[in-house]
Amino acid sequence: ETGVTQSPTHLIKTRGQQVTLRCSSQSGHNTVSWYQQALGQGPQFIFQYYREEENGRGNFPPRFSGLQFPNYSSELNVNALELDDSALYLCASSPPDLPDSYEQYFGPGTRLTVT
Amino acid sequence: RKEVEQDPGPFNVPEGATVAFNCTYSNSASQSFFWYRQDCRKEPKLLMSVYSSGNEDGRFTAQLNRASQYISLLIRDSKLSDSATYLCVVIGVRDTGRRALTFGSGTRLQVQP
Repeated sequence: ETGVTQSPTHLIKTRGQQVTLRCSSQSGHNTVSWYQQALGQGPQFIFQYYREEENGRGNFPPRFSGLQFPNYSSELNVNALELDDSALYLCASSPPDLPDSYEQYFGPGTRLTVT
Repeated sequence: RKEVEQDPGPFNVPEGATVAFNCTYSNSASQSFFWYRQDCRKEPKLLMSVYSSGNEDGRFTAQLNRASQYISLLIRDSKLSDSATYLCVVIGVRDTGRRALTFGSGTRLQVQP
């Protein structure tokens, strides 16, 4: 497959709780992006990290935060979970410094259910 | 108006048919365009990039029309294995100067035997 791994595969949380999702990018990829995909919708861009710095952000509130580590793996943290946060969370990594092509390789996703 | 719009379908076509999808985008400053394919309960996978000059890969042809702000995907000689959701992706720069990537909601294709 793509070499991008995510954990956990599934998660059930209660409204108001906090959650951390993890992603290991494909070897050599220094850019990681996170997406939220609700049922029947396309993935919505949350943010992107490039060399440990946030490089872009979609229309998500500050309670969605992230981190990228020196080995380019990444975390997505969501505070004060709401029912609408129930979705598939996808992580995607991109080859380093590839101008304009922006190929992305997706992991299998974490399915989060908030009750 | 959504930034990126796609007809959700489903498009039900017989094997061997030619089918085309369009995707419109609202930001004229958008920079890069792609088509992804997503199978049921799987992650999206890059199908092809889209260039103004057109891009062909076997039975698949992608085209960009900047003047009318849409991209298209044409699939010739449809196979059962082409059944999936096709997502268009547009990359632009937001007011903050940072890049942002926007997916359409996807067009579902069902190829019938």
